[in-house]
Amino acid sequence: KQEVTQIPAALSVPEGENLVLNCSFTDSAIYNLQWFRQDPGKGLTSLLLIQSSQREQTSGRLNASLDKSSGRSTLYIAASQPGDSATYLCAAFSGGYNKLIFGAGTRLAVHP
Amino acid sequence: SQTIHQWPATLVQPVGSPLSLECTVEGTSNPNLYWYRQAAGRGLQLLFYSVGIGQISSEVPQNLSASRPQDRQFILSSKKLLLSDSGFYLCAWSEEAGAMTGELFFGEGSRLTVL
Repeated sequence: KQEVTQIPAALSVPEGENLVLNCSFTDSAIYNLQWFRQDPGKGLTSLLLIQSSQREQTSGRLNASLDKSSGRSTLYIAASQPGDSATYLCAAFSGGYNKLIFGAGTRLAVHP
Repeated sequence: SQTIHQWPATLVQPVGSPLSLECTVEGTSNPNLYWYRQAAGRGLQLLFYSVGIGQISSEVPQNLSASRPQDRQFILSSKKLLLSDSGFYLCAWSEEAGAMTGELFFGEGSRLTVL
């Protein structure tokens, strides 16, 4: 059974810090891993998608890495801003389960 | 470009009443469609997914049902709502089933409160 875990559950940092959000999954046989952002009361916005054959993806100040062998992915946010405050979710698509399995999310607060 | 619409955005319904949430996708053909529920303090739970018209897969036994009457329309329904049906319902789509490595895109969600 695929399980996705995100650490930490919550994080509060001052503006300007570089930070790392962690995601781990138990079954390494994944097709891809996706990172999302969710603002309060809103839907999910796709941030980065890493295919199983890739090691990392970058978009602006965001960089996501994938290590299938260790069952881990990290989302790196450079020079954090108050507008980055949101909940960040990772999700692993496993062919064996034919669906995207989500972690519980990391709630990030960036204060001025 | 592709867009996804969900409505209504907010719904307050009494226990025992029916439910209909609608989701439509524009700008793509034969998408995979999904209904997720996000309960307070819990993660996202996949409820239903569909790879084509009239093809619905249910993930968990529950008080809800889904239908796909048209290629880009996905409807979540209930005949009689329970208190436990309260939550945030999210519709999502990805490229057609032949490309299982596709990215998932979500709608803005529908918040259901059952009283």
